[in-house]
Amino acid sequence: DVKVTQSSRYLVKRTGEKVFLECVQDMDHENMFWYRQDPGLGLRLIYFSYDVKMKEKGDIPEGYSVSREKKERFSLILESASTNQTSMYLCASRRTSGRVDTQYFGPGTRLTVL
Amino acid sequence: SQQGEEDPQALSIQEGENATMNCSYKTSINNLQWYRQNSGRGLVHLILIRSNEREKHSGRLRVTLDTSKKSSSLLITASRAADTASYFCATDPTMEYGNKLVFGAGTILRVKS
Repeated sequence: DVKVTQSSRYLVKRTGEKVFLECVQDMDHENMFWYRQDPGLGLRLIYFSYDVKMKEKGDIPEGYSVSREKKERFSLILESASTNQTSMYLCASRRTSGRVDTQYFGPGTRLTVL
Repeated sequence: SQQGEEDPQALSIQEGENATMNCSYKTSINNLQWYRQNSGRGLVHLILIRSNEREKHSGRLRVTLDTSKKSSSLLITASRAADTASYFCATDPTMEYGNKLVFGAGTILRVKS
């Protein structure tokens, strides 16, 4: 059974802290994605990666960075957390080779920045 | 950029009734997918329909796709309280770089028992 895991379900941080959100997938997928989800705004893509050490900006990359040192792991970094980054963060992965089909999501991390 | 637009934003029905959600999009696509999200959880894939398909069934789910109107609908028949969730359509645009799906804002479905 395919699996995408995220390091924390709930996280509370203070303004200005550096925050790491970790995502691991066990499906050998090339593509990995970070989204944030806010009420009424749906899923907005922050960053994605199509290969190890490769990254591309999504729709709302400001205030975030990412790291992909290994194929199975994609990290989202908030360099200096701010209250407007309080949100639900969802990681996902998707295969590139062969048929490119569904996207698999992690359970989400609900981040609160105080 | 948000391509999929779901309609309605919220839907409340009685158990046993059918629920229909619609999705419109703007560009040409390889496929369109529907996902479900239970409160506070990640999204789970429900069904995928390719651009050369017009209708697809999976259990109590029926999806239609009209590429000429750039629209899709998801029908859940004989709804149950456990179907209460948010439903998202996602398009796989033909010209989008990086295999990125584009998600809509979702429809919140509430099934009352």
